[in-house]
Amino acid sequence: GESVGLHLPTLSVQEGDNSIINCAYSNSASDYFIWYKQESGKGPQFIIDIRSNMDKRQGQRVTVLLNKTVKHLSLQIAATQPGDSAVYFCAENRNGNKLVFGAGTILRVKS
Amino acid sequence: DSGVTQTPKHLITATGQRVTLRCSPRSGDLSVYWYQQSLDQGLQFLIQYYNGEERAKGNILERFSAQQFPDLHSELNLSSLELGDSALYFCASSVRGDTEAFFGQGTRLTVV
Repeated sequence: GESVGLHLPTLSVQEGDNSIINCAYSNSASDYFIWYKQESGKGPQFIIDIRSNMDKRQGQRVTVLLNKTVKHLSLQIAATQPGDSAVYFCAENRNGNKLVFGAGTILRVKS
Repeated sequence: DSGVTQTPKHLITATGQRVTLRCSPRSGDLSVYWYQQSLDQGLQFLIQYYNGEERAKGNILERFSAQQFPDLHSELNLSSLELGDSALYFCASSVRGDTEAFFGQGTRLTVV
């Protein structure tokens, strides 16, 4: 299908620690990747993106790493805060067609 | 606020009925995506339009159809509704297909 389903993995981190959320993507031809954050009852919110000609991109408190050899994407969140608690999704895109989401990871931040 | 507007926010309807969900993309965005999110399927890609033309299709049921109008707003039509169609339906838009997509707040459809 066009998504992967369920029983989402959960990552629990202490406030102030760094978080690393991983994603394995499916299409080796995908050339554009996005990380989204979804809070309960809301639409997915864009965090950061990366194109396949890069292997790292940094934003404010977030870094995305791309390993095309093993089709792996990761999102690093520095100094995780309670407001970072949400479900995180990676999404992949090829030639501007579709935007297919991974299953998602629940991030829980403990105060 | 992402700039993507979806209406209605909530919809309750009976099995067998037909509904239309509406999406207004961000100003300047030519590409519109539709997704279904239910508890057991994650964010499932349904269909993508670009500047009025269908660009990509996911596992969209034959009972579902969509279109993008000249003013770039889009509608998703769901017919012969079944209980299993109950879900959150999201619309997203992007400038092109290969740029960041921004999501609306979704329409929660409940079929009873």
